[in-house]
Amino acid sequence: DAGVTQSPTHLIKTRGQQVTLRCSPKSGHDTVSWYQQALGQGPQFIFQYYEEEERQRGNFPDRFSGHQFPNYSSELNVNALLLGDSALYLCASSLGGTGRNSPLHFGNGTRLTVT
Amino acid sequence: AQSVTQLGSHVSVSEGALVLLRCNYSSSVPPYLFWYVQYPNQGLQLLLKYTSAATLVKGINGFEAEFKKSETSFHLTKPSAHMSDAAEYFCAVSVKGGSTLGRLYFGRGTQLTVWP
Repeated sequence: DAGVTQSPTHLIKTRGQQVTLRCSPKSGHDTVSWYQQALGQGPQFIFQYYEEEERQRGNFPDRFSGHQFPNYSSELNVNALLLGDSALYLCASSLGGTGRNSPLHFGNGTRLTVT
Repeated sequence: AQSVTQLGSHVSVSEGALVLLRCNYSSSVPPYLFWYVQYPNQGLQLLLKYTSAATLVKGINGFEAEFKKSETSFHLTKPSAHMSDAAEYFCAVSVKGGSTLGRLYFGRGTQLTVWP
């Protein structure tokens, strides 16, 4: 049973560039959430996708956008990268969108470094 | 608004000693509560969760936590620490119902060190 998989595992970008991170949910899950974990901090909620639509959004600027595909996989896009965007980006999958409080299963994350 | 406070960013114990990691939450209604563990260069693994059933919740790896509504606390304990318990631990809350169901609010984490 494949868990949540994220790619790439590490990424180095320059300020002003754009980046795309990818996530495949755990088998059987249909909801994907993204979290940003800065060094020494707890994860912070970016947004959640269900039925290919953004259902919830945290306090992140519009430079952060996402997409969910019909196979439930998801992408996180960040435009105009800032040094402060350097963090571990975690993808979590669950079942049922906001209608159910099913447990989140996390991937191992993508470590983004912005120089 | 939901918030989680983890008292103590670092906790050190000897192998075999009691582990106590503290978590207090602020929520307008009793929330769902979770403890996650994060090993280096890995994602988060669910240790246990409270969803309004028994107030004492048992999780994996010998951990347990007790929900105390009067103290708005959900402290994590383990009677006897093992070297393999060394990791970062996060307490999180999720609101019951409403448009933010399923969204987790995390504390800043507690790094547990276990000495031989």
